[in-house]
Amino acid sequence: AQSVTQPDIHITVSEGASLELRCNYSYGATPYLFWYVQSPGQGLQLLLKYFSGDTLVQGIKGFEAEFKRSQSSFNLRKPSVHWSDAAEYFCAVGALRGSTDSWGKLQFGAGTQVVVTP
Amino acid sequence: NAGVTQTPKFQVLKTGQSMTLQCAQDMNHEYMSWYRQDPGMGLRLIHYSVGAGITDQGEVPNGYNVSRSTTEDFPLRLLSAAPSQTSVYFCASSSSTRQLMFEQYFGPGTRLTVT
Repeated sequence: AQSVTQPDIHITVSEGASLELRCNYSYGATPYLFWYVQSPGQGLQLLLKYFSGDTLVQGIKGFEAEFKRSQSSFNLRKPSVHWSDAAEYFCAVGALRGSTDSWGKLQFGAGTQVVVTP
Repeated sequence: NAGVTQTPKFQVLKTGQSMTLQCAQDMNHEYMSWYRQDPGMGLRLIHYSVGAGITDQGEVPNGYNVSRSTTEDFPLRLLSAAPSQTSVYFCASSSSTRQLMFEQYFGPGTRLTVT
């Protein structure tokens, strides 16, 4: 069965420190990978995506993520966090499998809540 | 472009009442989806549509109906609200182009409370 796991429910980080959020997936086909961010009371905004090619992808707001096929991971990183990065972050996975039932559908992880302290 | 819009933003219902959550997009996207978000569970797919007149069930469809009469609109109907349907509901849309079909654009959400 397909699954998306974000092992960390909650992370606290100091402003200016680095941040890494983990995402592991289990999929039977080549995955398309996404990170979304949700600020309090807001909808989801796409941070970055991976379809193919270079396994290190750059996104908005200074975020980057690395796809590691051997580890089935797509971890999100930011070298220096800002107070405005406090939000919930979701990893999502989709795949073009043989059946069209999967087309356009994303499976989301449970999310990681990031708190930024002064 | 307004993108994906949802109304209302907030709603309180009594058990057994019915209502429709509205969703519209102006990006001419063929794919549209409804999700519910509950603490610790991420987003779960309720229903989705790959075009006007075509809908299908997602992971948690029970208690919800959808229809898609136009490309722009994708309303979600709760026929008889239950407390278990207290949640935040998100509508999303995407292009039907390969790969881009997974790049979903989200509305701001509707926070529903059922008492």
